[in-house]
Amino acid sequence: DAMVIQNPRYQVTQFGKPVTLSCSQTLNHNVMYWYQQKSSQAPKLLFHYYDKDFNNEADTPDNFQSRRPNTSFCFLDIRSPGLGDAAMYLCATSLTGGSYEQYFGPGTRLTVT
Amino acid sequence: QKEVEQNSGPLSVPEGAIASLNCTYSDRGSQSFFWYRQYSGKSPELIMSIYSNGDKEDGRFTAQLNKASQYVSLLIRDSQPSDSATYLCAGANSGGYQKVTFGIGTKLQVIP
Repeated sequence: DAMVIQNPRYQVTQFGKPVTLSCSQTLNHNVMYWYQQKSSQAPKLLFHYYDKDFNNEADTPDNFQSRRPNTSFCFLDIRSPGLGDAAMYLCATSLTGGSYEQYFGPGTRLTVT
Repeated sequence: QKEVEQNSGPLSVPEGAIASLNCTYSDRGSQSFFWYRQYSGKSPELIMSIYSNGDKEDGRFTAQLNKASQYVSLLIRDSQPSDSATYLCAGANSGGYQKVTFGIGTKLQVIP
């Protein structure tokens, strides 16, 4: 089945220790998104890639970076995680020219100690 | 700022009843609307999309859109305990890239 896969599902890191989260998709969608979601809050868009074009939301902290080495994979790097970065990180994909529907991976729960 | 507003709930309904979830949006340029279901600790799952004024039905779910009133709703008929989840309303505009704005979600509790 076509899907969005995220690894790891759970990540524990220490304060200030860099961490990388990964996302892959077999849907052949050209747009990929990274969201941060904290408890009882709406998903907050951090970045998206429209094909190879990288788009950074204005309020995304510099501590967050992203890479998309090919159409199927996308990475989220947190350079120096703080306690406030503990959250669920969601990867989503969509297809341009279509319905704007976004499909989410299972998420990575990040804990910062 | 473009917003999607939802009552966070919880909305409690008895099993077998109709659950009515509501959402308003501020961006008149929004053309596409979505309802996602999110179980606790899980990621959002798309359950309904609606693009035109009126009703759209899919099984026990009916989405309703009124662009003049900037109002979207989701009805769940014959509610089941397994429907207990947070329901996120989202809207997308037609300009630029496919940015979707999410509401905070309404927590639904179906009481057996």
